[in-house]
Amino acid sequence: DAGVIQSPRHEVTEMGQEVTLRCKPISGHNSLFWYRQTMMRGLELLIYFNNNVPIDDSGMPEDRFSAKMPNASFSTLKIQPSEPRDSAVYFCASNGPGDFWNTEAFFGQGTRLTVV
Amino acid sequence: AQTVTQSQPEMSVQEAETVTLSCTYDTSESDYYLFWYKQPPSRQMILVIRQEAYKQQNATENRFSVNFQKAAKSFSLKISDSQLGDAAMYFCAWTGNNRKLIWGLGTSLAVNP
Repeated sequence: DAGVIQSPRHEVTEMGQEVTLRCKPISGHNSLFWYRQTMMRGLELLIYFNNNVPIDDSGMPEDRFSAKMPNASFSTLKIQPSEPRDSAVYFCASNGPGDFWNTEAFFGQGTRLTVV
Repeated sequence: AQTVTQSQPEMSVQEAETVTLSCTYDTSESDYYLFWYKQPPSRQMILVIRQEAYKQQNATENRFSVNFQKAAKSFSLKISDSQLGDAAMYFCAWTGNNRKLIWGLGTSLAVNP
């Protein structure tokens, strides 16, 4: 398996524009996580899906952020409108079903978002 | 509150020496997993080692080992025979039944030649 695939790797956009980040989890994994990493806050969980259903979106900062998982192999994180304070690295991670042995999360390489 | 604390924002070690990174956590759950992840400059998060809370034996992975003290809620990472490639950010994380990883803020490790 190619691992968790995120696109794009880098995104530079102007304030007010819509930004869409994409993620393809590892085949067979049924949990998907979106994280945001900044120097000040570290890694923050934004939202978490299980079997394509959002389980916990308490980390989504505000209504400008939305996430979808239309099927088991694809998820998006959308920011509309984007603001400079959204600049960060956004990670997608997935892990599999089963018992505790499957709790290891595999991460994509992240999308570095810069909003100017 | 479920938290993970890494009290050392930065550490350095001489090549071939041993270094220990500290991590404490807080949870009321009895069954959980603890992890150390490494993030090199490439940004990729890489699992270094993990520990099941119900196991008393400390996990080891080659040069990496942990000192797990469940009563003290402490989970330190020891890197032996440090190599230049070990230079990275190291994150301690915890997860319980709900699969949410709770992360520390990380320790930046420099390895000096």
